[in-house]
Amino acid sequence: QVQLQQWGAGLLKPSETLSLTCAVYGGSFSGYYWSWIRQSPRKGLEWIGRTDDSGITDYNPSLSSRITISVDTSKNQFSLRLSSVTAADAAIYYCARGPQYWYHFEYWGQGTPVTVSS
Amino acid sequence: DIQMTQSPSSLSASVGDRVTITCRASQRIRTYLNWYQQKPGKAPKLLIYGASSLQSGVPSRFSGSGSGTDFTLTISSLQPEDFATYYCQQSYSTPYTFGQGTKLEIK
Repeated sequence: QVQLQQWGAGLLKPSETLSLTCAVYGGSFSGYYWSWIRQSPRKGLEWIGRTDDSGITDYNPSLSSRITISVDTSKNQFSLRLSSVTAADAAIYYCARGPQYWYHFEYWGQGTPVTVSS
Repeated sequence: DIQMTQSPSSLSASVGDRVTITCRASQRIRTYLNWYQQKPGKAPKLLIYGASSLQSGVPSRFSGSGSGTDFTLTISSLQPEDFATYYCQQSYSTPYTFGQGTKLEIK
């Protein structure tokens, strides 16, 4: 049974850096894409970017100047850093796993609500 | 970016009804179309991938069809647990994009 468990700071001030980590339990870490997705009332569901187990990344161009997705295969974890946050970055952030074909999201983390407020 | 447009945005139906939700892509995406169900406070759950392949464990009353730009999700006989919000997502090219959602409510 594959489980994704995520954590990170949920309250940030403008200009700070959001940092989230997702741990993967069960199943293989290699051979999949590991994505971050966020959901807000304003923009709905938005794909942020992904990594594979070798650290090759693909970012949403709308966020690419501010995001870094990294992987730690020794811990079966991957992480998201989003710099210079503003109120527009407030959302529920999810991590997710997808196969390297069809590219859907078959397993999701529980979600981390992030608020940005001074 | 590929824009995904769902219709309707909301839908009222009764238990036992047959329901169809449509999703249109702004450009051709072959069959790289996925459907998710989301309930309040929960992460989305994958229902259909590749336009018509049923995810393991998902009831057979859910089905998907379409290719190119037009797709449908059909629930053959609504059950009480099916009242939720449904999203389509294109996985043809990055950045992957989602529809705005269809909220399915009890009539």
